[in-house]
Amino acid sequence: RKEVEQDPGPFNVPEGATVAFNCTYSNSASQSFFWYRQDCRKEPKLLMSVYSSGNEDGRFTAQLNRASQYISLLIRDSKLSDSATYLCVVNMGPSYNTDKLIFGTGTRLQVFP
Amino acid sequence: DGGITQSPKYLFRKEGQNVTLSCEQNLNHDAMYWYRQDPGQGLRLIYYSQIVNDFQKGDIAEGYSVSREKKESFPLTVTSAQKNPTAFYLCASSIGAGAINEQFFGPGTRLTVL
Repeated sequence: RKEVEQDPGPFNVPEGATVAFNCTYSNSASQSFFWYRQDCRKEPKLLMSVYSSGNEDGRFTAQLNRASQYISLLIRDSKLSDSATYLCVVNMGPSYNTDKLIFGTGTRLQVFP
Repeated sequence: DGGITQSPKYLFRKEGQNVTLSCEQNLNHDAMYWYRQDPGQGLRLIYYSQIVNDFQKGDIAEGYSVSREKKESFPLTVTSAQKNPTAFYLCASSIGAGAINEQFFGPGTRLTVL
């Protein structure tokens, strides 16, 4: 099983739609979770951290389900500018004495007019 | 403006040549990282450094070397021993040790070995 697994997509949605991505992780000891956004041929940028209680930032909502070991990202009222690849990022957990983050391969979102 | 710079943006080299990729940050971050990204794959960690004059191998360190002589700088050398060096190389930094800290990325260097 991959350490971090995402559906590669692409998800093709019209403007204004709501879209959700899931990401599963294998290490039950993982403590840190993030969603990064990566535009084509650019560097990843932090979209939001994911907290145990769930968190919201404008049109974006992130949730964590520790029991099932997945995190989710919900985007409401999609904009053309949301078109990008969304990377799920998880740390290796306290059993590892490093700062390692594991990056998923990303889910591609394409919003059309 | 604070940030991370990488140079050059595009780099072409002949097979068998060593090449050094630059990474500089003025964020006063202690930790710095090098990743490579290949199509269809997630970012893979090459080397990381938690503090000046110290660094550790990541998952795919073979064929690469680094140095951390200054807090601001973490250059990566891709040696001729790296079997498949053509990739997108990303440098990142974070405020300190601990994966709870957000990593900030530079714009990347696209290396093509001919």
